[in-house]
Amino acid sequence: LAKTTQPISMDSYEGQEVNITCSHNNIATNDYITWYQQFPSQGPRFIIQGYKTKVTNEVASLFIPADRKSSTLSLPRVSLSDTAVYYCLVGDNNAGNMLTFGGGTRLMVKP
Amino acid sequence: EAGVTQFPSHSVIEKGQTVTLRCDPISGHDNLYWYRRVMGKEIKFLLHFVKESKQDESGMPNNRFLAERTGGTYSTLKVQPAELEDSGVYFCASSQAFRVHNSPLHFGNGTRLTVT
Repeated sequence: LAKTTQPISMDSYEGQEVNITCSHNNIATNDYITWYQQFPSQGPRFIIQGYKTKVTNEVASLFIPADRKSSTLSLPRVSLSDTAVYYCLVGDNNAGNMLTFGGGTRLMVKP
Repeated sequence: EAGVTQFPSHSVIEKGQTVTLRCDPISGHDNLYWYRRVMGKEIKFLLHFVKESKQDESGMPNNRFLAERTGGTYSTLKVQPAELEDSGVYFCASSQAFRVHNSPLHFGNGTRLTVT
């Protein structure tokens, strides 16, 4: 299973764009990159997923360079409610969702 | 659609007792997973059901843990006898398909288990 490395924590202010980068140097051909968000006392919640280049949905954008050894989750104009832990996971599309969670990035959005 | 529900939300038991956690996945989701976070550590995979069959139980810590999914609907995770190190949050998740692509996990809010 490909291992991921993320910053332990980040601080931001309301209205700013936040970019969280994840390293996955040993990503395999069949691996997809998925980001989850977790609030206290809740289970992780799916945010976005990608394989290469750029993916955008109503919540975030995901940038993946050509070598796929890293990815960047971009949250536009964060609000206080975006304070949460963000997990970057890499999973083999043929192996199912037996995912390996790392420590995640604890994002604190300040007023 | 209703999300993944877990019961109870909290459980406090004494060492040596038995506890059964229940998970109701999203209707129609054949794939059901159990994960747990113990002692503030990372979330770890426990096992995976496809319908009523155990697809992968490589993450189960020992034989004190028994997971079932009779009929391929809800699942239970029994801990017997519970030990102090079993304290943590147990998450259940479900997904529509087996693959990772376009079939993300939907997590419940977890059961917080405290063994005293």
